[in-house]
Amino acid sequence: SAVISQKPSRDICQRGTSLTIQCQVDSQVTMMFWYRQQPGQSLTLIATANQGSEATYESGFVIDKFPISRPNLTFSTLTVSNMSPEDSSIYLCSVRAGSGEEQYFGPGTRLTVT
Amino acid sequence: AQSVAQPEDQVNVAEGNPLTVKCTYSVSGNPYLFWYVQYPNRGLQFLLKYITGDNLVKGSYGFEAEFNKSQTSFHLKKPSALVSDSALYFCAVRRAPSGNTPLVFGKGTRLSVIA
Repeated sequence: SAVISQKPSRDICQRGTSLTIQCQVDSQVTMMFWYRQQPGQSLTLIATANQGSEATYESGFVIDKFPISRPNLTFSTLTVSNMSPEDSSIYLCSVRAGSGEEQYFGPGTRLTVT
Repeated sequence: AQSVAQPEDQVNVAEGNPLTVKCTYSVSGNPYLFWYVQYPNRGLQFLLKYITGDNLVKGSYGFEAEFNKSQTSFHLKKPSALVSDSALYFCAVRRAPSGNTPLVFGKGTRLSVIA
């Protein structure tokens, strides 16, 4: 298993600003995933982050809006840039650890954009 | 492409009764299947998985799920529901062998267990 922490746990931000979300894992992992969950909805994958290479973005998500860093095997950041109210969501960091195939999730960052 | 369908937005069940939360999937090749639960203001918790072997898998909190390849289903079940089981349940799939492909989630089913 893996224990994942995220900072901040929640934030209220103004339109047009940016927020960087941090994800820390208690073990080294190759792949980290960033998801978005809008209130009461399912999880949508934003991007997959490999250490030492550019993140791979899903359709509808672009690097200019959601830049990702992955400086080492236990840490990643997701920035939500030039925010609008439509970006209000829970942002979740996830990793696959061990040999069990399941993914583990952080507690999420609840973002509200006013 | 991979996809998951959870046909019910909401399932209501009386405490002590059996519960079923439905899930069907679409994937090229063999699937890896998962159930996760999300309690209010909490992250996703892993419940159980099917990778290979016995079609009936048992997981946390007394939950189990049955993999049915012909019906492409992976329904979540529990013989006797508890009020504390009330939460949002997500089914997820990944193609096997998975490499580094991420999970694809269904839209979720809200389970309400009534005392």
